[in-house]
Amino acid sequence: ETGVTQSPTHLIKTRGQQVTLRCSSQSGHNTVSWYQQALGQGPQFIFQYYREEENGRGNFPPRFSGLQFPNYSSELNVNALELDDSALYLCASSSGGLPGRYFGPGTRLTVL
Amino acid sequence: GIQVEQSPPDLILQEGANSTLRCNFSDSVNNLQWFHQNPWGQLINLFYIPSGTKQNGRLSATTVATERYSLLYISSSQTTDSGVYFCAVPFNDYKLSFGAGTTVTVRA
Repeated sequence: ETGVTQSPTHLIKTRGQQVTLRCSSQSGHNTVSWYQQALGQGPQFIFQYYREEENGRGNFPPRFSGLQFPNYSSELNVNALELDDSALYLCASSSGGLPGRYFGPGTRLTVL
Repeated sequence: GIQVEQSPPDLILQEGANSTLRCNFSDSVNNLQWFHQNPWGQLINLFYIPSGTKQNGRLSATTVATERYSLLYISSSQTTDSGVYFCAVPFNDYKLSFGAGTTVTVRA
């Protein structure tokens, strides 16, 4: 149990829809990173939020966006969903803008 | 970006056997992490090991940073060790680059 929580656990959407995923960081951590893991692959970095600012982004289009709130929880928003967005979305918690170390249980998104 | 390669891609073990997983990386790094992903998708941090050797129960890890590789040892494997093992190294200070993973299946 890492103390990082994510919601929802599973989600089914159709192409073109929008989705919001949520993550609560471990107590005392001010940094949240988001990763996308397609089936059979390693996680791919989407972006990181540190003290409510995006401080790093991977190779994902602008329709992937996020927020971090004053309590350091975070949201990942994906607009105009595509079939290839079907994946496990993981958030990771850390401090001081460092790479994620403690991961949440993930949200499994299916796009039909 | 930094390249991370893991081997072997798949490993099938009989309960009680020992095994070694390898992680090679293409550039110098200031830390390395090993994770275990269980069948439900949860990534559990096993080791944070920039260099040297660490042990945690039946698991141990060694990183030789100068030669750009790390090894994860599983001794006396149990069925609960099944899952995918990932190594990950930092890139641009804030993001992790993961390998493709080693899928371990331990048979009773």
